[in-house]
Amino acid sequence: TQLLEQSPQFLSIQEGENLTVYCNSSSVFSSLQWYRQEPGEGPVLLVTVVTGGEVKKLKRLTFQFGDARKDSSLHITAAQPGDTGLYLCAGEGNAGNMLTFGGGTRLMVKP
Amino acid sequence: NAGVMQNPRHLVRRRGQEARLRCSPMKGHSHVYWYRQLPEEGLKFMVYLQKENIIDESGMPKERFSAEFPKEGPSILRIQQVVRGDSAAYFCASSPTQNNYGYTFGSGTRLTVV
Repeated sequence: TQLLEQSPQFLSIQEGENLTVYCNSSSVFSSLQWYRQEPGEGPVLLVTVVTGGEVKKLKRLTFQFGDARKDSSLHITAAQPGDTGLYLCAGEGNAGNMLTFGGGTRLMVKP
Repeated sequence: NAGVMQNPRHLVRRRGQEARLRCSPMKGHSHVYWYRQLPEEGLKFMVYLQKENIIDESGMPKERFSAEFPKEGPSILRIQQVVRGDSAAYFCASSPTQNNYGYTFGSGTRLTVV
């Protein structure tokens, strides 16, 4: 059974601060996907990383896939209140049949 | 371009009733996945279907739960004789191919069993 541990579970910071969310596993994934989920809605895909060591940037968000494709991180620079939400990492196995989700990081950015 | 459409958005059922959740994938997407999100828990995979075929149902409870994706019409997740523990948000996702490296999720159906 593949497991993804996401940390921290909760994060409350002031506007303008930086933060990093971690997603760790002992399993290798063919891809690692990051989603954001708003209350009452489904997850929305932010980015997919596929290659070990890959780094992708989306404005103030930087995503990294570990060299061994077992872990990933999401770094947000100069957080804004609009970044508030639930961030989920999800790993896709080689079979491509399913996603294994982490427990999520609930981020609150205070103005 | 309509996204993944799920209905109903909210469903209330009494214990012992049946719940039917519907999912229409994005146009051109032939792969459908169902996930369940229990209160204060993460999303858990339930089942993966292609048209008229169940590909992987390893996450489905063995009893009372079934899923189908007919040639015509939406995918249906059916829960028979619901119990309070079935109360959760059920999400459907679709993709155009397997190993698509990114899924489009619907807004979910929130099932409440009273």
